[in-house]
Amino acid sequence: SQTIHQWPATLVQPVGSPLSLECTVEGTSNPNLYWYRQAAGRGLQLLFYSVGIGQISSEVPQNLSASRPQDRQFILSSKKLLLSDSGFYLCAWSLGLPSSYEQYFGPGTRLTVT
Amino acid sequence: AQSVAQPEDQVNVAEGNPLTVKCTYSVSGNPYLFWYVQYPNRGLQFLLKYITGDNLVKGSYGFEAEFNKSQTSFHLKKPSALVSDSALYFCAVRDGTGYALNFGKGTSLLVTP
Repeated sequence: SQTIHQWPATLVQPVGSPLSLECTVEGTSNPNLYWYRQAAGRGLQLLFYSVGIGQISSEVPQNLSASRPQDRQFILSSKKLLLSDSGFYLCAWSLGLPSSYEQYFGPGTRLTVT
Repeated sequence: AQSVAQPEDQVNVAEGNPLTVKCTYSVSGNPYLFWYVQYPNRGLQFLLKYITGDNLVKGSYGFEAEFNKSQTSFHLKKPSALVSDSALYFCAVRDGTGYALNFGKGTSLLVTP
């Protein structure tokens, strides 16, 4: 069966510090990968998605970037964190085409920027 | 553009009663519709989806959803609510042309004993 891991689970970082969140998927090959941010326990905002190694699409201009160095690894980064970057970050995966496939989410990382 | 609306921020139900969480959608083509549940400080769990076929879709934990094309709705239902069903529920839509899911703002379900 497939599993998705995220770490760290929680993170407290000062403004201006760098960020690296990691997501890995097991039990499947060539998944589509996604990074979402959830603010205030409600709405989810898609930040990035990737359909293959080195292929990143950004949905929202922001202070963050994403990379996919391996097939089942997805990394969310920032060079300098802002207060507004605080939130709950969720990684998800889905099978490739067709687009009717559902997404499966990881446990999330709670980021607090102080 | 594709979107979903969840008109209720919170739904309160007594244990044992039926529950309904509402969702309406807007897409330009055929909709792919999904329901997810989120427990506090956890990731989202997939409950069910509508792609095509029967308008009544059955999913995990006894949940089902009814697709209504004329009303552009996809309401989540359960015949008998449990206290453990208390959580945040999200409806989502994709129009089949892209990779992203568009989520509603979520509905908080509270089931009281």
